Amino acid sequence: AQTVTQSQPEMSVQEAETVTLSCTYDTSESNYYLFWYKQPPSRQMILVIRQEAYKQQNATENRFSVNFQKAAKSFSLKISDSQLGDTAMYFCAFIYSGAGSYQLTFGKGTKLSVIP
Amino acid sequence: NAGVTQTPKFQVLKTGQSMTLQCAQDMNHEYMSWYRQDPGMGLRLIHYSVGAGITDQGEVPNGYNVSRSTTEDFPLRLLSAAPSQTSVYFCASSYGGTGATEAFFGQGTRLTVV
Repeated sequence: AQTVTQSQPEMSVQEAETVTLSCTYDTSESNYYLFWYKQPPSRQMILVIRQEAYKQQNATENRFSVNFQKAAKSFSLKISDSQLGDTAMYFCAFIYSGAGSYQLTFGKGTKLSVIP
Repeated sequence: NAGVTQTPKFQVLKTGQSMTLQCAQDMNHEYMSWYRQDPGMGLRLIHYSVGAGITDQGEVPNGYNVSRSTTEDFPLRLLSAAPSQTSVYFCASSYGGTGATEAFFGQGTRLTVV
């Protein structure tokens, strides 16, 4: 079974600064996807970024980028130029990409506060 | 484009009552799923469906029932509500279930069982 660990329950960052959220996972599979989801106070789950395990290049989406270290099973999220709207819970998630696997496995989340 | 719609958004039940959480999507997605979110636990899979007429259990299925009679709808039934089922429930859908396509989530239902 896969497990996803987010070791930082809460973090804070000054507006316009950069922050990195950590995520490690454990799996015996070699083909999978990793995700970061954002959950603002509205409760909506919003996909921030996705990484395919077979791609060595780190995914980026505007101010959001990841540091994917497959051998170390690490998948951290870097938020640059933090904005007040980035205040939210952030969840790291894993899904095996093989046939018959349909379960997203989530970490427990990191609560990020952006301070003006 | 409504996406994934969940109703109701909030619900209070008494122990032992039954109810159905509704989930509908208008994107013609084959794969739909239900998750529950508890404080400090992340989201956990309850049940999922890979198409009309096909459902299967996830990580925490006890106390819940599902059916999928149409592509659009995937209701979650609580048979006899218990305080342990107090949680936020999310419905999600995607074109495929393996992560190659994005999963879209509804806005959640906050359920309190007293």
